[in-house]
Amino acid sequence: EVQLLESGGDLVQPGGSLRLSCVGSGFTFGAYAMTWVRQAPGKGLEWVSGITGGAGSTYFADSVKGRFTISRDDSRNTLYLEMNNLRVEDTALYYCAKKSDRAMAGTWFASWGQGTPVTVSS
Amino acid sequence: DIVMTQSPDSLAVSLGERATISCRSSQSVLYRSNNKSYLAWYQQKPGQSPKLLIYWASTREFGVPDRFSGSGSGTDFTLTISTLQADDVAVYYCQQFYSTPPTFGQGTKVEIK
Repeated sequence: EVQLLESGGDLVQPGGSLRLSCVGSGFTFGAYAMTWVRQAPGKGLEWVSGITGGAGSTYFADSVKGRFTISRDDSRNTLYLEMNNLRVEDTALYYCAKKSDRAMAGTWFASWGQGTPVTVSS
Repeated sequence: DIVMTQSPDSLAVSLGERATISCRSSQSVLYRSNNKSYLAWYQQKPGQSPKLLIYWASTREFGVPDRFSGSGSGTDFTLTISTLQADDVAVYYCQQFYSTPPTFGQGTKVEIK
């Protein structure tokens, strides 16, 4: 059974930084693209960032480009999201999601974690 | 970016009745070389994370009840719940995976009438 367990969410002041982690199990972690999707309170789903399986090409939503970094450690089955210069509008529940294959394009979100909450507030 | 628009924003359906949700993309998500539409549907129950229901517009994920069906091609898609059960109360999202960034519809909330 695929399991994704996120951690690292917290309350942080505007301009602050956080690092989110997601540990995957039940599948060959390195063979799949992995992504972060967020959901602001009472709102819909917004894709944030993704990293392909294998070569590890990275992709970012325009709203976070230049502030967020995504990486993966396949030896630890772990996905990371480094978030810098956080803004109030980054407040959301951050989901880790496994794609259906190693590529970003042409693949769907096959499995989701339970999410980790990030609150940006002074 | 491809914009996904769902309708309605919410609907209330009696138990055992049909629920129909529409999704439209701002450009075609049909890949002509394989004749597949790059469209998925997800279900998010209250307090839970999203769950994949359908991909390739009409292929049910393993374990998804057959009362859920997807149809459509190109830019216009439909999710149908043939006989609504109490367990189907949720928000449903369509999503295109034709191009990066992947984009979602705004969601449709399904309730019991």
